[in-house]
Amino acid sequence: GENVEQHPSTLSVQEGDSAVIKCTYSDSASNYFPWYKQELGKRPQLIIDIRSNVGEKKDQRIAVTLNKTAKHFSLHITETQPEDSAVYFCAAAGGNQGGKLIFGQGTELSVKP
Amino acid sequence: DAGVIQSPRHEVTEMGQEVTLRCKPISGHNSLFWYRQTMMRGLELLIYFNNNVPIDDSGMPEDRFSAKMPNASFSTLKIQPSEPRDSAVYFCASSLIIGSPLHFGNGTRLTVT
Repeated sequence: GENVEQHPSTLSVQEGDSAVIKCTYSDSASNYFPWYKQELGKRPQLIIDIRSNVGEKKDQRIAVTLNKTAKHFSLHITETQPEDSAVYFCAAAGGNQGGKLIFGQGTELSVKP
Repeated sequence: DAGVIQSPRHEVTEMGQEVTLRCKPISGHNSLFWYRQTMMRGLELLIYFNNNVPIDDSGMPEDRFSAKMPNASFSTLKIQPSEPRDSAVYFCASSLIIGSPLHFGNGTRLTVT
């Protein structure tokens, strides 16, 4: 089945700097790649997603890139702010596992003021 | 829309007791997912339904776990008998169709003593 690896597990940046989180997936047939943000004690919330027919997608300070050949995708946050501090999860779905959304292990992002 | 509604928010029970977690998906959503979140194992998919039919229950850890979806607006996850290692946050999520964004409920924090 699908396996999603996420790095790094923790990331600390200064306010205003950029943050990059990377994920790799194993099922080459996967075609949907969302990113979720989870604040402490809260539910995961979708922040951006990308499908396999697109290489990059941007939404204000957040962007996601996808390299299907290498089977990896990344989340980029620019001009980070303290409220960006949270755990971020990547996920992959589609392909041989059907509707199953398989999550990475998460990255705890800390933005220091 | 009120979003995905889960109950109870917190459940504390003794080992050996039966636990029932409840979920009401977003109206009109055809897919429903149950996830378990722990520090050690992250977000694990337990089971998902499409049009009230269980599609994949390969993530259900043991026969002690069972899930039902008697109609489009209600699902339960039952653990009988419960064990301390079942302690976790259990999330229900729904999506419009398979492969579309997941919307999570606020979760049930289960503690088994």
